[in-house]
Amino acid sequence: NAGVTQTPKFRVLKTGQSMTLLCAQDMNHEYMYWYRQDPGMGLRLIHYSVGEGTTAKGEVPDGYNVSRLKKQNFLLGLESAAPSQTSVYFCASSYEVNQPQHFGDGTRLSIL
Amino acid sequence: AQSVTQPDIHITVSEGASLELRCNYSYGATPYLFWYVQSPGQGLQLLLKYFSGDTLVQGIKGFEAEFKRSQSSFNLRKPSVHWSDAAEYFCAAVYTTLSFGSGTKLNVKP
Repeated sequence: NAGVTQTPKFRVLKTGQSMTLLCAQDMNHEYMYWYRQDPGMGLRLIHYSVGEGTTAKGEVPDGYNVSRLKKQNFLLGLESAAPSQTSVYFCASSYEVNQPQHFGDGTRLSIL
Repeated sequence: AQSVTQPDIHITVSEGASLELRCNYSYGATPYLFWYVQSPGQGLQLLLKYFSGDTLVQGIKGFEAEFKRSQSSFNLRKPSVHWSDAAEYFCAAVYTTLSFGSGTKLNVKP
């Protein structure tokens, strides 16, 4: 009963490095989302996907790219990490946009 | 612009006391409304949701919420708080995508 799984759980990067965060869901959900959580700001949507092969920009997309090559996976990429991208990143999935979202446990990312 | 507001950043209540967490939304039409809870170091868990119909909705862990269209509010309530309820609570609304409030951290005094 895995639900939504995020890897890695923790990562420290240097400014300018690149990395990819992986999200996998086993609920056959069409919709997948990437959020970042910063103190006092709730969760802000970075990018989302409404199905395999699709992506769309959310509220704070700059500096991030995503891909949804397989229905169960949604990848978040940072091409050139900046200290402002230090945050906790959450992946979520849902059956439809107006249905409850299921969240992973988060990835804590620090950029020095 | 659509938005969700949680006016209380921190709330402290005594164990056994009642709780009400406030949430207001600003949307042209009634959105789909949710309350989520987040324990430290974990993801968000759905407490309850409102789509339509009965304006008082029941959720897990003894929580309930009341939708009031006239006040654009969806406040979360619990009659008697337990120490394990200490967490951060997020109100959220869907119009085109899900928007979250900034959260309310609940502390529970013994």
